[in-house]
Amino acid sequence: SQTIHQWPATLVQPVGSPLSLECTVEGTSNPNLYWYRQAAGRGLQLLFYSVGIGQISSEVPQNLSASRPQDRQFILSSKKLLLSDSGFYLCAWSVPLRATNEKLFFGSGTQLSVL
Amino acid sequence: QKEVEQDPGPLSVPEGAIVSLNCTYSNSAFQYFMWYRQYSRKGPELLMYTYSSGNKEDGRFTAQVDKSSKYISLFIRDSQPSDSATYLCAMTYTGNQFYFGTGTSLTVIP
Repeated sequence: SQTIHQWPATLVQPVGSPLSLECTVEGTSNPNLYWYRQAAGRGLQLLFYSVGIGQISSEVPQNLSASRPQDRQFILSSKKLLLSDSGFYLCAWSVPLRATNEKLFFGSGTQLSVL
Repeated sequence: QKEVEQDPGPLSVPEGAIVSLNCTYSNSAFQYFMWYRQYSRKGPELLMYTYSSGNKEDGRFTAQVDKSSKYISLFIRDSQPSDSATYLCAMTYTGNQFYFGTGTSLTVIP
């Protein structure tokens, strides 16, 4: 069965420090991978998605970047964190079924606090 | 206009009640509909998935899609305190984009 691992669960970082959040998927190949940010009462905001190694689409221009160095690995990074980067970050994956991507599965999330 | 609208609640019901959660959407191209349950500080868990119109039942949960009205519902029968969570609706059409409601917070009181 497929599983998704996301770490760390909680992170407290000072303003201006770098960030690296990692996500890996097991039990499937060539998944679509996503990074979302969830703010209280504001729903899920898609940050990046990737359909393959090295292929990254950015949905929101901001202080963050994403990379996909391996098929089942997705990394969210920042060179210098801002206060506004605080939030709950979720990695997710989907696999084409019948040539469509109907189901999305989430990791456990990372609560990032920038102080 | 948002693609997906969902009443944020909060919704509070006594244990054993029937809960109705709803979302409306504007894009008639949506074909695949999902409901997620999210506990505090956890990732959303896929609860129900339906394709096109109609009902789908899984235990105490029933998902309903009315494409003519652009309206989807999740019913929870015999609600339990463990059902207390935020429920998110989501939908997509062929492609890589998923559209989410903002979530409804549900509390089931023992």
